[in-house]
Amino acid sequence: QVQLQQWGAGLLKPSETLSLTCAVFGGSLGDHYWSWIRQPPGKGLEWIGEINHSGSTSYSPSLKSRVTMSVDTSKNQFSLKLTSVTAADTAVYFCARGGTSDSSNFYPEYFRHWGQGTLVTVSS
Amino acid sequence: DIVMTQSPDSLAVSLGERATINCKSSQSLFYNSNNKNYLAWYQQKPGQPPKLLIYWASIRESGVPDRFSGSGSGTDFTLTISSLQAEDVAVYYCQQYYSRPPWTFGQGTEVEIK
Repeated sequence: QVQLQQWGAGLLKPSETLSLTCAVFGGSLGDHYWSWIRQPPGKGLEWIGEINHSGSTSYSPSLKSRVTMSVDTSKNQFSLKLTSVTAADTAVYFCARGGTSDSSNFYPEYFRHWGQGTLVTVSS
Repeated sequence: DIVMTQSPDSLAVSLGERATINCKSSQSLFYNSNNKNYLAWYQQKPGQPPKLLIYWASIRESGVPDRFSGSGSGTDFTLTISSLQAEDVAVYYCQQYYSRPPWTFGQGTEVEIK
């Protein structure tokens, strides 16, 4: 059974960099894409981006200029960095498992497995 | 971006009654080559991550009670709870995985007991 466990700093000041990591247990990073999704307090879900085991990424256009994702296959982990945060970035951040890919194709999938969520608050 | 619009934003249903949530996408989520609709439904309770209920528009996830069902095709989809139970109080989201970036979600529908 795949489980995702995430962690990172929960309180940031404006202009700082958000940094979160998600570890995959019960399976490898494999051929899947691994996403970050956020949810501002009391609001809906926003997809941030995703990365696969080889480091291929896809980012939301609205956040692309500030987002960097990375992967560490030796630790079965992937990470998110979001620069120049403001109060608008205050949210619960989730990691999740998405679609798969092979050498020539991408196969989109729903998000079956999710991390527990990390509340990140940006405040001066 | 594919825009996902849910209706209503909230609904109150009596225990044992039917709850119906609609989701409309700004473009078709049906892929002709495999005859599938790239639409999922999630349930989220306070303090928890979303839980997958339905994928490919109508396939119930393992362990999900059969009172939950999904239907629709193309741009119009429905999640139905046939007999609302107290534990079904939650926010429900639809999500398209037809095209990215970005994957997009509906704004959510809050279901409560009348």
